[in-house]
Amino acid sequence: GIQVEQSPPDLILQEGANSTLRCNFSDSVNNLQWFHQNPWGQLINLFYIPSGTKQNGRLSATTVATERYSLLYISSSQTTDSGVYFCAVERRTGGFKTIFGAGTRLFVKA
Amino acid sequence: EPEVTQTPSHQVTQMGQEVILRCVPISNHLYFYWYRQILGQKVEFLVSFYNNEISEKSEIFDDQFSVERPDGSNFTLKIRSTKLEDSAMYFCASSGPGYSNQPQHFGDGTRLSIL
Repeated sequence: GIQVEQSPPDLILQEGANSTLRCNFSDSVNNLQWFHQNPWGQLINLFYIPSGTKQNGRLSATTVATERYSLLYISSSQTTDSGVYFCAVERRTGGFKTIFGAGTRLFVKA
Repeated sequence: EPEVTQTPSHQVTQMGQEVILRCVPISNHLYFYWYRQILGQKVEFLVSFYNNEISEKSEIFDDQFSVERPDGSNFTLKIRSTKLEDSAMYFCASSGPGYSNQPQHFGDGTRLSIL
């Protein structure tokens, strides 16, 4: 099955710093999403981005489907950005199955 | 904005009992999913459901588990004879109505604690 690898596994930033999170996947996919899991356990959808580039405020994401990776950029980080960031890919070949990466745990220090 | 709702938010059950976790997907969605997240670990796919049948299931989704869409609005996950290791957060998601280019929308999860 598809393998999804996220890096780095852990990241500590000073408030105001920028960061890039990476998601590599081992096969072609139909869908790709980035999520932020907050301290209450909710999965907050950040981007639906099977290809191309999107921006939403301080966050942006780029997926290069032909090279099987996606990047999530966080600029001017805030303490509220802390949490776990997950990449999830879905492959639809007959059936459909979603695989999550192991996540990047981000802590932003004040 | 429409939401996926899950009930209950927290369920405590004795080992060996059956539990039913409930989800109300977004009304015009056609694709439904259940996931599990053991504390501190990644989110794991359990099952996907479309057109009133299972589309795909993971190796975790054994005979202990079943899913049902009993009416036009609810989507349920049943766990029979629960075990301690079933303790986890369970997420429901839905997408659609089209086949392609559809993000999944997640509920807030049900935290299941097996005693």
